[in-house]
Amino acid sequence: EIVLTQSPDTLSLSPGERATLSCRASDSFSGSYLVWFQQKPGQAPRLLIYGASNRATGIPDRFSGSGSGTDFTLTISRLEPEDFAVYYCHQYGNSPRTFGQGTKLQIK
Amino acid sequence: QVQLVQSGAEVKKPGSSVKVSCKASGGDFSNYRVNWVRQAPGQGLEWMGGIVPIFRTADYAQKFQGRVTITADESTSTAYMELSSLRSDDTAVYFCAKASGYHGSGGYYTVEGDIWGQGTLVTVSS
Repeated sequence: EIVLTQSPDTLSLSPGERATLSCRASDSFSGSYLVWFQQKPGQAPRLLIYGASNRATGIPDRFSGSGSGTDFTLTISRLEPEDFAVYYCHQYGNSPRTFGQGTKLQIK
Repeated sequence: QVQLVQSGAEVKKPGSSVKVSCKASGGDFSNYRVNWVRQAPGQGLEWMGGIVPIFRTADYAQKFQGRVTITADESTSTAYMELSSLRSDDTAVYFCAKASGYHGSGGYYTVEGDIWGQGTLVTVSS
């Protein structure tokens, strides 16, 4: 099983700042099967990034993804108030599919 | 616009079963995987299993093997997740999530988790 470990668990930043979220895998896998989700309280997750670095439909260009192998990163270039949420990475290239534990992005 | 609409909240007794439905409207239901993911109160996301409707065969997380059954009815574009022998720690919101096809920088991708249902709260309590 590929274990995904996200860091930090909590990130406190102000609107306008840059956020860098990390997702590290216990074993290497193809970034084609790495996605990032955003989840707000009481809502279903929303797809942000697929294939490690491609923005999903309707996702603002302040969101970007990068990485390969075992290390993946989600960057939000300039935080907007609506960006404060929990972010999950997820791999589906290996069975079982796994999620990271999440990074909570909160307002400082 | 593809949408997934799930059945309503359930309250169940320990030891009983629950069956949650997930109906798709629009798009291609048969050829794209539907996964089931649950989220316990205040916790993260947990993959339970999934199915590609046209293939009819589901696969499951080992944790739920023997307790979960995932099926799909192509004629109604509906996927189902049945969980048996319910325990209090099965109390969670259960989501269905459907894959879609995308053309990205590296070519064509089948992207899991593109479309999500609204979630179904299952409460297990005596």
